[in-house]
Order: sequence, then C-alpha cells, then structure tokens
Amino acid sequence: GDSVTQMEGPVTLSEEAFLTINCTYTATGYPSLFWYVQYPGEGLQLLLKATKADDKGSNKGFEATYRKETTSFHLEKGSVQVSDSAVYFCALSDQGYSTLTFGKGTMLLVSP
Amino acid sequence: NAGVTQTPKFQVLKTGQSMTLQCAQDMNHEYMSWYRQDPGMGLRLIHYSVGAGITDQGEVPNGYNVSRSTTEDFPLRLLSAAPSQTSVYFCASQEDYEQYFGPGTRLTVT
Repeated sequence: GDSVTQMEGPVTLSEEAFLTINCTYTATGYPSLFWYVQYPGEGLQLLLKATKADDKGSNKGFEATYRKETTSFHLEKGSVQVSDSAVYFCALSDQGYSTLTFGKGTMLLVSP
Repeated sequence: NAGVTQTPKFQVLKTGQSMTLQCAQDMNHEYMSWYRQDPGMGLRLIHYSVGAGITDQGEVPNGYNVSRSTTEDFPLRLLSAAPSQTSVYFCASQEDYEQYFGPGTRLTVT
C-alpha cells in the first residue's frame, strides 16, 4: 500500500538558517504530494502541493519539488523564522480526490 | 465562513461510556473524513464519506461509527470508549486536492 516516510525530529535551527525536511513515498500510481503544517494547538493547514512529476509547490517561502525518479518531495526554506516552529507533515493522495496518507510528522523548533 | 468546526474541544470519558464527536462544515464539500492523531503515529484515517448517505472505513475504524445524513454534518460515535481511544481527533472536509481541518477534539479515556 501507499506510505510516506519523513525524517524524524525534532529539527532544531537558529533563525535565518536553511531548512530541509526529507520526505520519500511509496505509491502504486501517480500520486499528488502535499506538505501540511500544524501550529501548536491547531489543526493542519495545507502549506503547498504538487500534482505531477517535476512540479514545484511553493508558499510562504517554503518550496518542494516532486521528484518521481527518487520518489521524494523534500521541503526547503532558505531562511527560517521563529514563527515557522510547528509540526510538518508530508502526505500523498493516490487518486486525486481521495483520502490522504500522512507521514508521521517532523517537529521544527526555531530559536531566536 | 466558519470552515470546519468541531465540538467539544476537550472531553474526558470513563471506560465503557459512549459519546459523539461533532463535526460540521459550511463550505458545501462532499468529501469529509475523521482522523486520529497519536504521538509518533502521524494521522490515521478512521472513516470517510464521499457524500450524504455514503460512508466507508479507513485505516483504523474499529470502535467507531459514523453517519452522514446531511452534507454539512459528519459525527463520529464512540459506542463503548476504551483507553486505547485516548487521542486527538480531527475532522476534515475536502475540495479538489485540499483538505480543510477542524481544530480538533482532545479525548481522554480513563
């Protein structure tokens, strides 16, 4: 079945550092890929998405590129802020309008 | 738009008690789902619905029931609560590729 593997956290960075959170997936078809973010005490929010190979999703300074050859969708940001501290979830949807399969989440802690 | 709303925010139950977690959305989305979130486990799908009158099981459906009589509402029922159901529960509705999550219900079963 489908699965998503994320790097374990927490990831601890200083403000303005470069961020990478790795995500790889296994799927039978051609999935759509997502990054969701969960701020403390809140539900998840969609951060960015990519629906086909080589697409780059971007939002709020975060980027991720859909790499079919390496089955990866790594999240990057050039300069993190304290306000980026949250849990980040990589997810896939194998049939477009369908249920999501989530990774276990990676906590990001950014210190001033 | 209120988006996706969930009640209650917090709940403590004793083993064997029953309760219903409420979920409503005002975006007229056909697709809705329930997840539970446990430490180190990510989110796991409990049940989902593709429209009024249609529901199906997800990854971890045991111990939970759902119904969908209207587009707006998708309640989750625990018939006989067990300590293993202590978790944070999220309801979501979906349009195209995006899922919209509610704020969650933190349930403790003692």
